[in-house]
Amino acid sequence: EVHLVESGGGLVQPGGSLRLSCAASGFTFSDYWMTWVRQAPGKGLEWVANIHKDGSIEEYAYSVKGRFTISRDNSRNSLYLQMNSLRVEDAAVYYCVANGGWYKLAYWGQGTLVTVSS
Amino acid sequence: QSALTQPPSASGSPGQSVTISCTGTSSDVGRYNYVSWYQQHPGKAPKLIIYYVSERPSGVPDRFSGSKSGNTASLTVSGLQAEDEADYYCISYADGTQVALGGGTKVTVL
Repeated sequence: EVHLVESGGGLVQPGGSLRLSCAASGFTFSDYWMTWVRQAPGKGLEWVANIHKDGSIEEYAYSVKGRFTISRDNSRNSLYLQMNSLRVEDAAVYYCVANGGWYKLAYWGQGTLVTVSS
Repeated sequence: QSALTQPPSASGSPGQSVTISCTGTSSDVGRYNYVSWYQQHPGKAPKLIIYYVSERPSGVPDRFSGSKSGNTASLTVSGLQAEDEADYYCISYADGTQVALGGGTKVTVL
């Protein structure tokens, strides 16, 4: 059974940093691009970032480019999102997603909540 | 990222069909057969129900079907059931921004 388990969310002040982690199991992690998608409370889905199967390509939404960094460790079946210079508008549930290609977002974690507030 | 247009709400009685539209442009929905649909129940993560316009993942009932005409993709839920009440989102590969997302449609089973 596929599992994606995010961790690392919490309350942070504007300008602060957080590192999200995602532990994957039940599928061949290195066969998938991985994606972070976020959802602000009561709002729709927003794509945040992608990373290639081997970590060689990173893609970012304009809203987070230069502030967020996506990375992965295939030896640990883990995905990460380093979030710096956080803004109030970054507050959301962040989902770790296995991307089966061309945004076939096949497997989703349960999400981790990031709150940005002073 | 670009935005796809979905109706904010749709409804139907049990057993009826409901169709949700997802309108983009010739740079996303109209150009690529890479439209996917997701179902999200309150407090839960989204779930893939249609990919590549009309393909269903294993385990998704055949009551869910997808199609595309021009710049508009559609999701049809036939034989509506109470558990189909949820939010539905479309996503498409897109030129430039690489991804376009719909704002979501709340489906109510009357």
